[in-house]
Amino acid sequence: AQTVTQSQPEMSVQEAETVTLSCTYDTSESDYYLFWYKQPPSRQMILVIRQEAYKQQNATENRFSVNFQKAAKSFSLKISDSQLGDAAMYFCASTLLPNSAQKLVFGQGTRLTINP
Amino acid sequence: DTGVSQDPRHKITKRGQNVTFRCDPISEHNRLYWYRQTLGQGPEFLTYFQNEAQLEKSRLLSDRFSAERPKGSFSTLEIQRTEQGDSAMYLCASTGPSTGELFFGEGSRLTVL
Repeated sequence: AQTVTQSQPEMSVQEAETVTLSCTYDTSESDYYLFWYKQPPSRQMILVIRQEAYKQQNATENRFSVNFQKAAKSFSLKISDSQLGDAAMYFCASTLLPNSAQKLVFGQGTRLTINP
Repeated sequence: DTGVSQDPRHKITKRGQNVTFRCDPISEHNRLYWYRQTLGQGPEFLTYFQNEAQLEKSRLLSDRFSAERPKGSFSTLEIQRTEQGDSAMYLCASTGPSTGELFFGEGSRLTVL
């Protein structure tokens, strides 16, 4: 069975600074996908970034990048140049199936606060 | 852009009552998922449909829960004889064969008094 653990219930960062959110996971499979989702207050969850486990190169989406350490089963999210709009709950998630969107297993979430 | 829509957004009910939530996925998406999210936790998978077929149900989905997607379009999630432990946000999500992510609705929050 898959498990996803986020050990930081809350994080805060000054606007324009960089913050890293941690995530570890456990799976016995070799082929899986990892995701970071953002859930703003009272709004729907949206995908921030996705990483295929077979790819060694870390995914990057504008100010968002990941540090994927497959052997350590670690998948952290780095947010550069933090903006007020980045304030939200962030969830790390994984799925086993090659079609990446099926049966996500989520971590407990990290609440990110941006200080102006 | 019509994303995933859920109705109602918030439902308050008394213990023992039945409630039904509706989800309208993005029109071209053939897969639809239901998740439950309790306060301070990440979403937990409940069930999913491919077209009208319900392909998997979590052990979290007790006999009091039933989900349908009769024509492969919208879906309903019914909870019978609600209990206080059913209080949660019920999230619906959809995806299509050529997309690589789940698109979530804003959720239906259930409060059982």
